[in-house]
Amino acid sequence: DADVTQTPRNRITKTGKRIMLECSQTKGHDRMYWYRQDPGLGLRLIYYSFDVKDINKGEISDGYSVSRQAQAKFSLSLESAIPNQTALYFCATSDSTGVNSPLHFGNGTRLTVT
Amino acid sequence: AQSVAQPEDQVNVAEGNPLTVKCTYSVSGNPYLFWYVQYPNRGLQFLLKYITGDNLVKGSYGFEAEFNKSQTSFHLKKPSALVSDSALYFCAVRDRANTGFQKLVFGTGTRLLVSP
Repeated sequence: DADVTQTPRNRITKTGKRIMLECSQTKGHDRMYWYRQDPGLGLRLIYYSFDVKDINKGEISDGYSVSRQAQAKFSLSLESAIPNQTALYFCATSDSTGVNSPLHFGNGTRLTVT
Repeated sequence: AQSVAQPEDQVNVAEGNPLTVKCTYSVSGNPYLFWYVQYPNRGLQFLLKYITGDNLVKGSYGFEAEFNKSQTSFHLKKPSALVSDSALYFCAVRDRANTGFQKLVFGTGTRLLVSP
């Protein structure tokens, strides 16, 4: 979905390095999410934000932090990357019309930690 | 806690044949159910959802899904498969019984391969 842009698309980093993944959206949605995808595990929620002042942990937030710089921007940081954080990371948005509004995903960032 | 099972890692079907991708769920209350599709090097795209009402839900690209409460299933179907339907399909559930924000729980995905 071109309305949700993730940068970079691919990143290789070393253990212990700090890394930031960025997400921006032009959909005007209030709600933003970070997921990670691992083969055989599906998608798991890392953090979510319902507006600029609302940040919440998901099911696997340990080792990650986020910043909601504006309605349109939501970044994910790994303070000290470790190899088991190697995964495909997705940012998603949804509107606030209801709890079951569809998620709109970016194209993902493939992160490799060596 | 809610959970979703997609029992098949891969489904193979010939173009023009009907396809079914299976999904079963577990929730404490009644479910909200979703299907998403992921094409190579892309994010997930919403296909359809069941909230309430008619058990047969129609979605994008000719897909439909049938909610079966007694079997706790929500199988994705299409009458005639296309090669372009080849992708990774995810079922997801949210428990209606819980208040507040409830995360969407995704299955592990089923790869659909449609051969010419």
